[in-house]
Amino acid sequence: KQEVTQIPAALSVPEGENLVLNCSFTDSAIYNLQWFRQDPGKGLTSLLLIQSSQREQTSGRLNASLDKSSGRSTLYIAASQPGDSATYLCAVRGLSRYQGAQKLVFGQGTRLTINP
Amino acid sequence: NAGVTQTPKFQVLKTGQSMTLQCAQDMNHNSMYWYRQDPGMGLRLIYYSASEGTTDKGEVPNGYNVSRLNKREFSLRLESAAPSQTSVYFCASSEGGQGSAGANVLTFGAGSRLTVL
Repeated sequence: KQEVTQIPAALSVPEGENLVLNCSFTDSAIYNLQWFRQDPGKGLTSLLLIQSSQREQTSGRLNASLDKSSGRSTLYIAASQPGDSATYLCAVRGLSRYQGAQKLVFGQGTRLTINP
Repeated sequence: NAGVTQTPKFQVLKTGQSMTLQCAQDMNHNSMYWYRQDPGMGLRLIYYSASEGTTDKGEVPNGYNVSRLNKREFSLRLESAAPSQTSVYFCASSEGGQGSAGANVLTFGAGSRLTVL
Protein backbone atom coordinates (compact mmCIF):
# COMPACT_ATOMS: atom_id res chain seq x y z
CA LYS A 1 0.00 0.00 0.00
CA GLN A 2 1.36 3.39 -0.98
CA GLU A 3 2.20 5.73 1.88
CA VAL A 4 3.15 9.36 1.46
CA THR A 5 5.00 11.27 4.17
CA GLN A 6 5.76 14.95 4.46
CA ILE A 7 8.30 16.20 6.95
CA PRO A 8 8.28 18.59 8.72
CA ALA A 9 4.63 19.00 9.61
CA ALA A 10 5.18 22.72 10.10
CA LEU A 11 7.84 25.20 9.03
CA SER A 12 8.32 28.88 9.82
CA VAL A 13 10.86 31.02 7.97
CA PRO A 14 11.58 34.75 7.47
CA GLU A 15 10.41 36.46 4.32
CA GLY A 16 12.86 36.31 1.43
CA GLU A 17 14.38 32.94 2.23
CA ASN A 18 14.55 30.10 -0.25
CA LEU A 19 13.08 26.92 1.17
CA VAL A 20 12.51 23.27 0.39
CA LEU A 21 9.54 21.11 1.31
CA ASN A 22 9.95 17.35 1.30
CA CYS A 23 7.71 14.50 0.23
CA SER A 24 8.54 10.81 0.34
CA PHE A 25 6.58 7.80 -0.91
CA THR A 26 7.02 4.10 -0.29
CA ASP A 27 6.16 2.63 -3.71
CA SER A 28 8.21 4.00 -6.60
CA ALA A 29 5.78 2.65 -9.19
CA ILE A 30 3.95 5.91 -9.68
CA TYR A 31 2.22 7.49 -12.67
CA ASN A 32 2.61 11.07 -11.49
CA LEU A 33 3.09 13.26 -8.45
CA GLN A 34 1.27 16.50 -7.72
CA TRP A 35 1.89 19.36 -5.32
CA PHE A 36 -1.09 21.29 -3.96
CA ARG A 37 -1.56 24.37 -1.86
CA GLN A 38 -4.35 24.70 0.72
CA ASP A 39 -5.25 27.96 2.41
CA PRO A 40 -7.10 27.82 5.77
CA GLY A 41 -10.75 26.88 5.32
CA LYS A 42 -10.36 26.52 1.58
CA GLY A 43 -10.02 23.78 -1.00
CA LEU A 44 -6.82 22.60 -2.64
CA THR A 45 -5.18 24.34 -5.56
CA SER A 46 -2.92 22.37 -7.88
CA LEU A 47 0.56 23.89 -8.15
CA LEU A 48 2.65 21.46 -10.16
CA LEU A 49 2.27 18.01 -11.67
CA ILE A 50 5.29 15.85 -12.51
CA GLN A 51 4.83 12.86 -14.77
CA SER A 52 6.82 9.76 -13.82
CA SER A 53 9.09 10.26 -16.86
CA GLN A 54 10.02 13.79 -15.77
CA ARG A 55 12.61 14.97 -13.27
CA GLU A 56 11.23 18.42 -12.50
CA GLN A 57 8.61 21.04 -13.24
CA THR A 58 8.76 24.79 -12.75
CA SER A 59 6.14 27.47 -12.33
CA GLY A 60 7.29 30.96 -11.42
CA ARG A 61 9.11 30.80 -8.09
CA LEU A 62 8.19 27.15 -7.59
CA ASN A 63 10.25 24.18 -8.70
CA ALA A 64 9.30 20.58 -8.01
CA SER A 65 11.67 17.69 -8.49
CA LEU A 66 11.04 13.96 -8.60
CA ASP A 67 13.41 11.08 -7.85
CA LYS A 68 11.38 7.92 -8.29
CA SER A 69 14.21 5.56 -7.42
CA SER A 70 14.59 7.05 -3.97
CA GLY A 71 10.88 7.71 -3.54
CA ARG A 72 11.30 11.44 -3.01
CA SER A 73 10.03 14.76 -4.28
CA THR A 74 10.92 18.27 -3.22
CA LEU A 75 9.13 21.57 -3.69
CA TYR A 76 11.53 24.50 -3.85
CA ILE A 77 10.12 27.97 -3.18
CA ALA A 78 12.40 30.86 -4.10
CA ALA A 79 12.34 34.26 -2.42
CA SER A 80 9.46 33.37 -0.10
CA GLN A 81 6.70 35.90 0.57
CA PRO A 82 4.06 36.16 3.33
CA GLY A 83 1.46 35.26 0.68
CA ASP A 84 3.12 31.85 0.36
CA SER A 85 1.90 30.96 3.85
CA ALA A 86 -0.36 27.93 3.47
CA THR A 87 -0.35 24.15 3.82
CA TYR A 88 1.42 22.34 1.00
CA LEU A 89 0.42 18.78 0.17
CA CYS A 90 1.92 16.27 -2.19
CA ALA A 91 -0.01 13.39 -3.70
CA VAL A 92 0.96 10.43 -5.86
CA ARG A 93 -0.97 8.38 -8.38
CA GLY A 94 -0.13 4.73 -8.86
CA LEU A 95 0.30 2.98 -12.17
CA SER A 96 -3.08 1.26 -12.27
CA ARG A 97 -5.26 2.90 -14.85
CA TYR A 98 -8.53 3.13 -12.92
CA GLN A 99 -10.19 3.94 -16.21
CA GLY A 100 -8.31 7.20 -16.41
CA ALA A 101 -9.29 8.46 -12.98
CA GLN A 102 -6.75 10.09 -10.72
CA LYS A 103 -6.73 7.97 -7.59
CA LEU A 104 -4.35 9.97 -5.46
CA VAL A 105 -2.69 9.13 -2.16
CA PHE A 106 -1.98 12.30 -0.17
CA GLY A 107 0.63 13.21 2.37
CA GLN A 108 -0.52 15.02 5.50
CA GLY A 109 1.00 18.30 4.40
CA THR A 110 3.51 20.84 5.63
CA ARG A 111 2.07 24.00 7.17
CA LEU A 112 4.31 26.84 5.99
CA THR A 113 4.45 30.25 7.67
CA ILE A 114 6.44 33.09 6.12
CA ASN A 115 7.16 35.83 8.64
CA PRO A 116 7.38 39.43 7.38
CA ASN B 1 -15.98 30.06 -14.47
CA ALA B 2 -17.26 28.48 -11.26
CA GLY B 3 -15.11 25.32 -11.40
CA VAL B 4 -16.30 22.85 -8.74
CA THR B 5 -19.22 23.90 -6.56
CA GLN B 6 -20.18 22.06 -3.36
CA THR B 7 -23.28 22.49 -1.24
CA PRO B 8 -23.86 22.90 1.61
CA LYS B 9 -20.73 24.56 3.01
CA PHE B 10 -21.66 23.70 6.60
CA GLN B 11 -24.02 21.13 8.09
CA VAL B 12 -24.73 19.82 11.58
CA LEU B 13 -26.47 16.47 11.90
CA LYS B 14 -27.59 14.26 14.73
CA THR B 15 -26.45 10.65 14.83
CA GLY B 16 -28.65 8.55 12.57
CA GLN B 17 -29.82 11.36 10.32
CA SER B 18 -29.21 11.23 6.60
CA MET B 19 -28.03 13.86 4.19
CA THR B 20 -26.63 14.35 0.71
CA LEU B 21 -23.68 16.49 -0.26
CA GLN B 22 -23.99 17.92 -3.73
CA CYS B 23 -21.17 18.59 -6.17
CA ALA B 24 -21.25 20.08 -9.65
CA GLN B 25 -18.49 20.99 -12.09
CA ASP B 26 -18.72 23.12 -15.21
CA MET B 27 -15.42 22.15 -16.86
CA ASN B 28 -16.78 19.19 -18.84
CA HIS B 29 -14.54 16.86 -16.82
CA ASN B 30 -15.00 13.13 -17.10
CA SER B 31 -13.77 12.08 -13.64
CA MET B 32 -15.08 13.18 -10.25
CA TYR B 33 -14.06 12.34 -6.69
CA TRP B 34 -15.10 12.64 -3.07
CA TYR B 35 -12.41 13.01 -0.41
CA ARG B 36 -12.60 13.54 3.32
CA GLN B 37 -9.98 15.47 5.27
CA ASP B 38 -9.35 14.80 8.94
CA PRO B 39 -6.65 16.20 11.24
CA GLY B 40 -3.64 13.92 11.27
CA MET B 41 -5.09 11.70 8.53
CA GLY B 42 -4.71 13.85 5.45
CA LEU B 43 -7.12 13.49 2.54
CA ARG B 44 -8.61 10.08 1.91
CA LEU B 45 -10.58 9.02 -1.13
CA ILE B 46 -14.13 7.92 -0.39
CA TYR B 47 -15.53 7.21 -3.86
CA TYR B 48 -14.73 8.22 -7.39
CA SER B 49 -16.36 8.19 -10.79
CA ALA B 50 -13.98 7.72 -13.69
CA SER B 51 -16.65 8.66 -16.20
CA GLU B 52 -20.36 9.24 -16.41
CA GLY B 53 -22.19 6.06 -15.52
CA THR B 54 -19.42 4.52 -13.41
CA THR B 55 -18.60 4.73 -9.71
CA ASP B 56 -16.00 2.89 -7.62
CA LYS B 57 -14.95 2.65 -4.03
CA GLY B 58 -11.93 4.46 -2.75
CA GLU B 59 -10.01 3.96 0.46
CA VAL B 60 -12.81 4.69 3.00
CA PRO B 61 -16.23 3.97 1.40
CA ASN B 62 -18.05 2.46 4.39
CA GLY B 63 -21.10 4.46 5.47
CA TYR B 64 -21.35 6.36 2.19
CA ASN B 65 -23.08 6.04 -1.15
CA VAL B 66 -22.61 8.06 -4.32
CA SER B 67 -24.52 8.88 -7.44
CA ARG B 68 -23.09 10.20 -10.70
CA LEU B 69 -26.28 11.93 -11.75
CA ASN B 70 -24.87 13.14 -15.06
CA LYS B 71 -21.52 14.33 -16.36
CA ARG B 72 -21.67 17.50 -14.25
CA GLU B 73 -22.95 16.21 -10.91
CA PHE B 74 -21.64 13.73 -8.35
CA SER B 75 -23.42 13.46 -5.00
CA LEU B 76 -22.33 11.83 -1.74
CA ARG B 77 -24.97 10.43 0.62
CA LEU B 78 -24.71 9.55 4.28
CA GLU B 79 -27.61 7.21 5.03
CA SER B 80 -27.21 7.08 8.81
CA ALA B 81 -24.65 9.61 10.01
CA ALA B 82 -22.19 8.69 12.75
CA PRO B 83 -19.87 10.92 14.81
CA SER B 84 -16.91 9.30 13.01
CA GLN B 85 -18.13 10.96 9.83
CA THR B 86 -17.49 14.41 11.26
CA SER B 87 -15.05 15.79 8.73
CA VAL B 88 -14.45 18.23 5.92
CA TYR B 89 -15.55 16.76 2.60
CA PHE B 90 -14.04 17.79 -0.71
CA CYS B 91 -15.31 17.13 -4.18
CA ALA B 92 -12.83 17.24 -7.05
CA SER B 93 -12.80 16.65 -10.77
CA SER B 94 -10.28 15.98 -13.52
CA GLU B 95 -10.40 15.74 -17.27
CA GLY B 96 -9.60 12.03 -17.00
CA GLY B 97 -8.45 9.64 -19.67
CA GLN B 98 -4.88 8.76 -20.56
CA GLY B 99 -4.10 11.98 -22.33
CA SER B 100 -1.77 14.85 -21.56
CA ALA B 101 -0.48 15.75 -18.13
CA GLY B 102 -3.03 18.52 -17.98
CA ALA B 103 -5.77 15.91 -18.07
CA ASN B 104 -4.54 14.61 -14.73
CA VAL B 105 -4.74 17.85 -12.78
CA LEU B 106 -7.41 17.83 -10.09
CA THR B 107 -9.64 20.82 -9.43
CA PHE B 108 -11.13 20.94 -5.93
CA GLY B 109 -14.25 22.50 -4.51
CA ALA B 110 -14.13 24.72 -1.42
CA GLY B 111 -15.24 21.94 0.91
CA SER B 112 -18.24 21.03 3.07
CA ARG B 113 -17.75 20.96 6.82
CA LEU B 114 -19.95 18.31 8.42
CA THR B 115 -20.44 17.83 12.15
CA VAL B 116 -22.31 14.80 13.48
CA LEU B 117 -23.41 15.07 17.10
